[in-house]
Amino acid sequence: DAGITQSPRYKITETGRQVTLMCHQTWSHSYMFWYRQDLGHGLRLIYYSAAADITDKGEVPDGYVVSRSKTENFPLTLESATRSQTSVYFCASRGQELKLFFGSGTQLSVL
Amino acid sequence: KQEVTQIPAALSVPEGENLVLNCSFTDSAIYNLQWFRQDPGKGLTSLLLIQSSQREQTSGRLNASLDKSSGRSTLYIAASQPGDSATYLCAVISNNNDMRFGAGTRLTVKP
Repeated sequence: DAGITQSPRYKITETGRQVTLMCHQTWSHSYMFWYRQDLGHGLRLIYYSAAADITDKGEVPDGYVVSRSKTENFPLTLESATRSQTSVYFCASRGQELKLFFGSGTQLSVL
Repeated sequence: KQEVTQIPAALSVPEGENLVLNCSFTDSAIYNLQWFRQDPGKGLTSLLLIQSSQREQTSGRLNASLDKSSGRSTLYIAASQPGDSATYLCAVISNNNDMRFGAGTRLTVKP
């Protein structure tokens, strides 16, 4: 199906573990983004990518790593998860007219 | 730095009422403005996209307007229904490619 998909939908992990959240889009959009959404903070940009092999930090990048070897995939890795990284994570891509498309989100709990 | 504000943070109306949601931004040098809907536990769904050269966009019972000079956009919902209950967010893309979200307005439409 065309669109932007995230996996897993839900994830529970422990502090100190490495976690990777996946994001895949079928439109070949150049720009992709990772946001976290928390009560009281709204949507905050973690990292973004302008194209394959081009990534840049957003507002809250500490503790996160991204890669983009292929245009369609933009995984987000928490190298050593902390409780403060408990959040809902959204991946997005940007198409024509700079219109944004969001995935369904990954709800991450770090215990 | 662009700042995006949505007031009120929450709104409750009886079914059938017409209503207006507001989005204000501080820098008028924008490329476009996009309205989203977010249901609890779900991702963001795009409702309307207004380019900076446009004054309004319509989709069904929704009408979004843009006044760049005053730094305002409004989302008008006609004949509200309980199914319209959700959080509505606006996002502004500035000419420098910066993207900012408002904190959202949580709408409740009571039967």
